Amino acid sequence: AQSVAQPEDQVNVAEGNPLTVKCTYSVSGNPYLFWYVQYPNRGLQFLLKYITGDNLVKGSYGFEAEFNKSQTSFHLKKPSALVSDSALYFCAVRAPFILTGGGNKLTFGTGTQLKVEL
Amino acid sequence: DAGVTQSPTHLIKTRGQQVTLRCSPKSGHDTVSWYQQALGQGPQFIFQYYEEEERQRGNFPDRFSGHQFPNYSSELNVNALLLGDSALYLCASSYLPSGMLNEQFFGPGTRLTVL
Repeated sequence: AQSVAQPEDQVNVAEGNPLTVKCTYSVSGNPYLFWYVQYPNRGLQFLLKYITGDNLVKGSYGFEAEFNKSQTSFHLKKPSALVSDSALYFCAVRAPFILTGGGNKLTFGTGTQLKVEL
Repeated sequence: DAGVTQSPTHLIKTRGQQVTLRCSPKSGHDTVSWYQQALGQGPQFIFQYYEEEERQRGNFPDRFSGHQFPNYSSELNVNALLLGDSALYLCASSYLPSGMLNEQFFGPGTRLTVL
């Protein structure tokens, strides 16, 4: 079974400061990892993904994430936070295709509320 | 290019009733997945449809069923509604034949309230 843990319910950061939203995962085989963002009363928007290759992945809106296989982590980062980044962030994992029988089910964490203040 | 669309936006039902939610995938996508997001929780996978067949299913009872049409749109049906079925139901689409590398695109969701 695959699972995702987001240990922080909320992260507070001042605008202009760097931010980190933590995520650890558990899955058989090589993981496929994703970050999504959700604004109030909206669906999820894709930010970035890790499939293979470089451990530092760059995504939308200046976000990046660092994959660490030994620590089974995939933390989301941004060098300089904006007030408009305030939203709910979800980390998700998908098992390798060969293990899913053809499906690409995502397993999500419980989410981390990011609050960026002036 | 329209993204993933869902209807209706909001829905109020009473216990024991049945409900049908609808989803149209993003143009060029052929796979539709459904997720349930309870208040304060992450989305939970219900099932996935590809080539009009259910390909993968999460831990949801048989009261939850679905269908995919030849134009790739999909319906989620929930029978014998319970209070605990109140949630935001999200539809996501992707293009499966290009491999599992592609991300899923989500619709805005349908907010279901069961009274």
